[in-house]
Amino acid sequence: AQTVTQSQPEMSVQEAETVTLSCTYDTSESDYYLFWYKQPPSRQMILVIRQEAYKQQNATENRFSVNFQKAAKSFSLKISDSQLGDAAMYFCAYRSDFNKFYFGSGTKLNVKP
Amino acid sequence: GAVVSQHPSRVICKSGTSVKIECRSLDFQATTMFWYRQFPKQSLMLMATSNEGSKATYEQGVEKDKFLINHASLTLSTLTVTSAHPEDSSFYICSARDRAGTRPGELFFGEGSRLTVL
Repeated sequence: AQTVTQSQPEMSVQEAETVTLSCTYDTSESDYYLFWYKQPPSRQMILVIRQEAYKQQNATENRFSVNFQKAAKSFSLKISDSQLGDAAMYFCAYRSDFNKFYFGSGTKLNVKP
Repeated sequence: GAVVSQHPSRVICKSGTSVKIECRSLDFQATTMFWYRQFPKQSLMLMATSNEGSKATYEQGVEKDKFLINHASLTLSTLTVTSAHPEDSSFYICSARDRAGTRPGELFFGEGSRLTVL
């Protein structure tokens, strides 16, 4: 079974600074998708960024970018120019060939003004 | 983007009663929906995969007789917690895949439903 590991339960960053959230996963599949989801206090999950495993280029969405290392099975999220609204729980997720999603345990991001 | 709506957002019930939670895809057809359970400060745990027109597929350890799932149409899946007990109190989240949208395979989430069993 696939497992997703987020080793940082909580992180803090100063407003306007950059922070990187770590995620590793374990799989025997060669084709899959990786996602970062954000869960603010309202509790609704919001997609931040996605990465197809077959693409070597790292995905980027405005201030959010990933460092995808397929061989190392690592998928970190970098948030640049952090804003107060970025404060939330961040979940790394893996989507298998069978279209099942597996989530990491989450990282709580605090943004300090 | 695609919208998934869940109702009710909060429900309080007495022990022994049944509670139904609805999950609707508002602007796309979802042949597959997923139900997750989230305990406080924990991750989402997949409970079951709901397939339109067929039986749901439950994850190991999830009681199918307690958590009844019905996916009667391409836009609606329901989760019924039968004979609820306090240990069933949790945050339940549904999600749906948009197979035909601009981002096929992406998972869209409902707002979640907080169940409290007294």
